Amino acid sequence: DAGITQSPRHKVTETGTPVTLRCHQTENHRYMYWYRQDPGHGLRLIHYSYGVKDTDKGEVSDGYSVSRSKTEDFLLTLESATSSQTSVYFCAISDPSPVGNTIYFGEGSWLTVV
Amino acid sequence: AQTVTQSQPEMSVQEAETVTLSCTYDTSESDYYLFWYKQPPSRQMILVIRQEAYKQQNATENRFSVNFQKAAKSFSLKISDSQLGDAAMYFCAYRSAGYGNKLVFGAGTILRVKS
Repeated sequence: DAGITQSPRHKVTETGTPVTLRCHQTENHRYMYWYRQDPGHGLRLIHYSYGVKDTDKGEVSDGYSVSRSKTEDFLLTLESATSSQTSVYFCAISDPSPVGNTIYFGEGSWLTVV
Repeated sequence: AQTVTQSQPEMSVQEAETVTLSCTYDTSESDYYLFWYKQPPSRQMILVIRQEAYKQQNATENRFSVNFQKAAKSFSLKISDSQLGDAAMYFCAYRSAGYGNKLVFGAGTILRVKS
């Protein structure tokens, strides 16, 4: 199993408060991703990173920001949480193996905005 | 942009029987990867099988196999000898070739296994 740890795993927060989700990997993989999962939509990409301090937006990036100051950590921040951001958030990393090219996922973080 | 469509929101299969989950995708690229992920109630995302577009041979992993039809842009998953532990949500996903590219997911198919 890929060494990916997400924290917190569960969080309830109030509308308008900032929230930060952390993804930590022990695999030294260059690429990291944040996805959200909602019923009827599968997983949708929020932001991704292709190296330290190099990030880019995905298809549902509004209301989210990210930072990556170290290879192993990728942070997702909701600046002012809204009820529409209630979701399950998954961090993922890319397998650098020449025969890999596979993305591995963390266990998910359940966020409820009330 | 690439899109992935899973037209079966829910499927059921009897234990020990075979079931096929459908997936179609839209792309103008010639080199890419396709995946099936399994998500049990724990929500863990488990890679089931992967297919490289340049390979004509269909991928197989034990009881799981795919029917990859590149011209038709179809990528179905066949589960043989279904087991109770196969009950889960299954996602089809597309990824452009080249390291670091993102996965694009379908909406998923819930598979129920009856004993």
